[in-house]
Amino acid sequence: DAGVIQSPRHEVTEMGQEVTLRCKPISGHDYLFWYRQTMMRGLELLIYFNNNVPIDDSGMPEDRFSAKMPNASFSTLKIQPSEPRDSAVYFCASIGRRGRTDTQYFGPGTRLTVL
Amino acid sequence: AQKVTQAQTEISVVEKEDVTLDCVYETRDTTYYLFWYKQPPSGELVFLIRRNSFDEQNEISGRYSWNFQKSTSSFNFTITASQVVDSAVYFCALSGPSSGTYKYIFGTGTRLKVLA
Repeated sequence: DAGVIQSPRHEVTEMGQEVTLRCKPISGHDYLFWYRQTMMRGLELLIYFNNNVPIDDSGMPEDRFSAKMPNASFSTLKIQPSEPRDSAVYFCASIGRRGRTDTQYFGPGTRLTVL
Repeated sequence: AQKVTQAQTEISVVEKEDVTLDCVYETRDTTYYLFWYKQPPSGELVFLIRRNSFDEQNEISGRYSWNFQKSTSSFNFTITASQVVDSAVYFCALSGPSSGTYKYIFGTGTRLKVLA
């Protein structure tokens, strides 16, 4: 079975540009999580969805960040405009309640560098 | 509030030594889950184990073992006969109803360096 898929794996952009990160959860999973990891702040939960509906977005740092989940197999995290302090690794993870598992499985991450 | 503490920031051992990574948690929930993840230098987060609060049996998987003690709110991870490939950052995490059942509280991680 395919795991969580994220794209792109690496993104380098210039300050002020729009960045879109993509995630495809494991098929059948109905919870999706977006995290950010930096050396300074560690692993931070940004937002999570259940059945495509945002449940908790309290970790979204500011209005420049937005996330959507238009269907069960796709989610995006958008940063507009991007700033150098947004440089981090962004992870997506999913959980499948239907499989009665409470374990988050992580994607490989997207390494974002904002110049 | 729920909290996970990994007091060891970094540990260095020589190959074949045993090493224990500590994890102490705080929660007011009676039902909760504890997890360990491994993050090797390649960067991915790899699930290692999940333990629910009603199961205090210790778990062994090859060279890995986990000691869950509710009395001390600890869920420690031991690697026996460590190998260079064990070098990674290891995260302990907690989930429970008071923070949102599927929302994890992660510790800050312990960086393990296994020297040849």
